Amino acid sequence: NAGVTQTPKFRVLKTGQSMTLLCAQDMNHEYMYWYRQDPGMGLRLIHYSVGEGTTAKGEVPDGYNVSRLKKQNFLLGLESAAPSQTSVYFCASSRQSGGRYEQYFGPGTRLTVT
Amino acid sequence: QKEVEQDPGPLSVPEGAIVSLNCTYSNSAFQYFMWYRQYSRKGPELLMYTYSSGNKEDGRFTAQVDKSSKYISLFIRDSQPSDSATYLCAMSAASRFGNEKLTFGTGTRLTIIP
Repeated sequence: NAGVTQTPKFRVLKTGQSMTLLCAQDMNHEYMYWYRQDPGMGLRLIHYSVGEGTTAKGEVPDGYNVSRLKKQNFLLGLESAAPSQTSVYFCASSRQSGGRYEQYFGPGTRLTVT
Repeated sequence: QKEVEQDPGPLSVPEGAIVSLNCTYSNSAFQYFMWYRQYSRKGPELLMYTYSSGNKEDGRFTAQVDKSSKYISLFIRDSQPSDSATYLCAMSAASRFGNEKLTFGTGTRLTIIP
C-alpha cells in the first residue's frame, strides 16, 4: 500500500513551458486535491475532485488545469508556466469514514520556474 | 484578513517542556478542526482530528477547540526532539459534498532542543 504518490519529485521549467504533475492513490478514495505551499502562505487549494470525471476550482485555480479520468489518478497541468508558480505542490486524497474526511498527503513536487 | 491565523514562530523549547500551539479563525461555519505535522521536505500527516468544541487527547498530544472564542490549541507534553517539525492547523465547514475542503493556517515551526 503506497498511499499517495506524486511524480515527478523535482522539476525546473522555463517560463512558458508546460508540464503535468501526476498524483496516484491506491486507497480507493473518492476525493482528491491539489495544493500549493509557499512560505508565509500555508497550503492553498488549487483544484479538487469529488469523484471520477468531476473537478472543481479551489482558492487559487488560475493558470492550472486538472483532470480526473480515473478514480486513482488526479493530474495537474500548467499550460504556460510563470515564475509565480514556483512552489511545492502537494496532492492529497480522502474518503468519508464515519463523518470524517481525513486527508492523506503525498510527498510533494518541488517546481521551479525560471 | 486571513480566515485562519497561526503564529509562524519559530518556536524553540527544551526537551521535556510542554508546548502550546494555537490558531484563531474568523469563519463561524468551521466545525471540523485538525492538526497536521509536517517534517522538513515531507508531506503533512494528520495528527489530531476534532469535531466542534471540546478536548481530545491522544498520547502526549491534546487538542482543544473553543468555538465561542474561535480559538484552537494543540498541547504537546514531554516534548521530544522527534517532535521538531512544522505544525499546521486546518479546519473545514460542512459543504454540499461533505466537509472535504480544508483551510490551513500558515504553520508554526517547532524545534525541541535536546
